[in-house]
Amino acid sequence: AQSVSQHNHHVILSEAASLELGCNYSYGGTVNLFWYVQYPGQHLQLLLKYFSGDPLVKGIKGFEAEFIKSKFSFNLRKPSVQWSDTAEYFCAVNPSGNTGKLIFGQGTTLQVKP
Amino acid sequence: GAGVSQSPSNKVTEKGKDVELRCDPISGHTALYWYRQSLGQGLEFLIYFQGNSAPDKSGLPSDRFSAERTGGSVSTLTIQRTQQEDSAVYLCASSLGTGGAYGYTFGSGTRLTVV
Repeated sequence: AQSVSQHNHHVILSEAASLELGCNYSYGGTVNLFWYVQYPGQHLQLLLKYFSGDPLVKGIKGFEAEFIKSKFSFNLRKPSVQWSDTAEYFCAVNPSGNTGKLIFGQGTTLQVKP
Repeated sequence: GAGVSQSPSNKVTEKGKDVELRCDPISGHTALYWYRQSLGQGLEFLIYFQGNSAPDKSGLPSDRFSAERTGGSVSTLTIQRTQQEDSAVYLCASSLGTGGAYGYTFGSGTRLTVV
């Protein structure tokens, strides 16, 4: 079945630690890829997206993600996290040619300790 | 409006009752999506509208769920004879068009609790 997998369900880091959240998908064709963030009590916000071109995309707040087609992966990274990065992070895939609906991973809760 | 507006923000209902959830998308956004976020799970696609028609209803979990959109704008998600497993946050998103290139704007959601 087509799916999106986020390997880490709950991550706890100290401030200034580096972050990498894994995301793998199982679609064989062209895809658009997204990372969304949901801060406590807030709505989903777009962190970054990949459609084509440079597989290393940079988003807001110092986040970046790398699309590795051969591994069907789109991992999210940040060199140094802050307490304010505490949130839930969702990877999402939009298979090209479909209705535009997003297929989401289960989410990763990131807790950053000050 | 400036963003996607959903109402009510919270709804507590008794098992067996019907509920209506409303989504007011960004003006001019032709595509509208409903998702459901259950505790400990990701976001589950429910239905997609392009204008007033729904080309993709594949995510609606049962025939108790229905949705409509009028005037290419406001959408209503109706759940009939609610069950406890319907408890979740129901999210609406809108987009200028279909396909990921346009981006999606999400509302704050309606938290539905069935008791």
